[in-house]
Amino acid sequence: DTGVSQNPRHKITKRGQNVTFRCDPISEHNRLYWYRQTLGQGPEFLTYFQNEAQLEKSRLLSDRFSAERPKGSFSTLEIQRTEQGDSAMYLCASSRNYGSLNYGYTFGSGTRLTVV
Amino acid sequence: GENVEQHPSTLSVQEGDSAVIKCTYSDSASNYFPWYKQELGKRPQLIIDIRSNVGEKKDQRIAVTLNKTAKHFSLHITETQPEDSAVYFCAASIGYGNKLVFGAGTILRVKS
Repeated sequence: DTGVSQNPRHKITKRGQNVTFRCDPISEHNRLYWYRQTLGQGPEFLTYFQNEAQLEKSRLLSDRFSAERPKGSFSTLEIQRTEQGDSAMYLCASSRNYGSLNYGYTFGSGTRLTVV
Repeated sequence: GENVEQHPSTLSVQEGDSAVIKCTYSDSASNYFPWYKQELGKRPQLIIDIRSNVGEKKDQRIAVTLNKTAKHFSLHITETQPEDSAVYFCAASIGYGNKLVFGAGTILRVKS
């Protein structure tokens, strides 16, 4: 297991199209997070899963965005009817957590989305 | 709302000098504070972290200090080298679930 893997690395799509990204976390990690990063900004929280349960979604996540983590393994993030404002780097991260003790994230390399 | 402020936004230092980046957070319940380094076109990588029951932590040339009363924490890099040039992000945990809120980042340039 070499880390968090994201596919595709780059995606160019026309406005109005749907896109789906995939994230494969580190297998021992029980938590998986999606963040969005735009140029010159820090990562912004979108949603996270503990195992297969989606426990929190940001207000940034409009109804055009949906995320799943079937069977608590890989996760997908789908954006429907893409808009130019969706252009960003979408980062996935995973971490292990025991009770209330937090550990640092391991990030994937991200999927860069460009909506034209 | 939940917020992490980071300063400065850019920092230029001469090789061998020290660099200090400061962050403040708003949620008094935050208990975990990691720092990430992101090189151009690469993923953010964890370089050091500190928990709220500790005031300082060191790892070779980098150290982090935490002042819970003032709700601020700082990254210190000593004997900077050109390979330290990158964007550095601080973060604070918010609520249950280890959700992290990130600062806007500091571009560090180490001039040789």
